[in-house]
Amino acid sequence: EIVLTQSPATLSLSPGERATLSCWASQSVSSYLAWYQQKPGQAPRLLIYDASNRAPGIPARFSGSGSGTDFTLTISSLEPEDFAVYYCQQRGNWPETFGQGTKVEIK
Amino acid sequence: QVQLQESGPGLVKSSETLSLTCTVFGGSINTYYWSWFRQPPGKTLEWIGYIHYSESASYNPPLKSRVTMSLDTSKNQFSLRLRSVTAADTAVYYCARYSEYGGRHYMDVWGKGTTVTVSS
Repeated sequence: EIVLTQSPATLSLSPGERATLSCWASQSVSSYLAWYQQKPGQAPRLLIYDASNRAPGIPARFSGSGSGTDFTLTISSLEPEDFAVYYCQQRGNWPETFGQGTKVEIK
Repeated sequence: QVQLQESGPGLVKSSETLSLTCTVFGGSINTYYWSWFRQPPGKTLEWIGYIHYSESASYNPPLKSRVTMSLDTSKNQFSLRLRSVTAADTAVYYCARYSEYGGRHYMDVWGKGTTVTVSS
């Protein structure tokens, strides 16, 4: 099973700042990595698929990059609604797995 | 717009069977892959398994011996059964739909989740 490690566990930033979240895979997942946003009491929402493609309806301030084992989610300028927990998920190897999450909180 | 809704008991006794149903609204179950995930309190998501409308299924190895998924196309529903539950099975359970994006399928529609607590 592939282990995904996310860093940092918590990111404290102010609205308008840039957020950079990392996800490392224990072995290559090619580009088959997704990012999800989860707010308290809600289901996850798909943001990015195949490492760098925004899902329909996702604002352009969200972008993803990487391949193989190293991936990044960038939020160019944080909006108040972006403070949440973000999970990476790999679908490059069975079974699919998730990272432990990065909480983006208001500083 | 497709919506999913989980239903089932919120409390299950240890060693018994957890049974949940997900109803698909606004679309047909006769396409796509349909899945279950869970999230223990304060923890990350765990994939439980998926079922295809052809009724082929795939389960996460740590849970495989205890899990069964099924479809009821007449009711536009799919279901999860998890046998011999313990406190470790206490979690929020989500149903979700996989859609094909690029090279793989990813979950683009989710239910709101239902909390299941296993009691001793």
